[in-house]
Amino acid sequence: GQNIDQPTEMTATEGAIVQINCTYQTSGFNGLFWYQQHAGEAPTFLSYNVLDGLEEKGRFSSFLSRSKGYSYLLLKELQMKDSASYLCAVLDSNYQLIWGAGTKLIIKP
Amino acid sequence: IAGITQAPTSQILAAGRRMTLRCTQDMRHNAMYWYRQDLGLGLRLIHYSNTAGTTGKGEVPDGYSVSRANTDDFPLTLASAVPSQTSVYFCASSDQGRGANVLTFGAGSRLTVL
Repeated sequence: GQNIDQPTEMTATEGAIVQINCTYQTSGFNGLFWYQQHAGEAPTFLSYNVLDGLEEKGRFSSFLSRSKGYSYLLLKELQMKDSASYLCAVLDSNYQLIWGAGTKLIIKP
Repeated sequence: IAGITQAPTSQILAAGRRMTLRCTQDMRHNAMYWYRQDLGLGLRLIHYSNTAGTTGKGEVPDGYSVSRANTDDFPLTLASAVPSQTSVYFCASSDQGRGANVLTFGAGSRLTVL
């Protein structure tokens, strides 16, 4: 079966750095997405990786290793507004999106 | 404001009743999707439409139906609601039905079936 694993919850301090991991086992791979979802709101797109390596976008970076079935989202200079759930999703060989359950990130002052 | 509008925002429904969740987009995206989101689970695809006039079944289609009469609208109907359909429903759209396309989501419809 297809599976996306992420930690359920993480806590970090304002101003610090946090890394949210995602491991996947899917039938084929056509890219990996990260979305942010604030409580009670819709998911919004953060990043897309299809090749190995690091993609940097401001305070957020996303890394992919296809051989390890692994990605992480790195958030720097954490702000209170970064408190949200972070969803990892993989596009499989049929171009179907397989979603992880999400990681709830709690930022403390 | 460009985006996706879902209605209703929230609804409590008696089991056995029929319910239609509405979804309208103004971005002229050709692909649209309905997902449900339940605590502890990833988003699960119910139905999708790659273009107006066509629809397809997702991961959890049973008990739901959709139609796509035009580009903008993609309603989701529960013919006879059951308590297991209590969930938050998200409509989404993308520029293409295949490929690595970014999804734009509506704000969600919270449905409670009693």
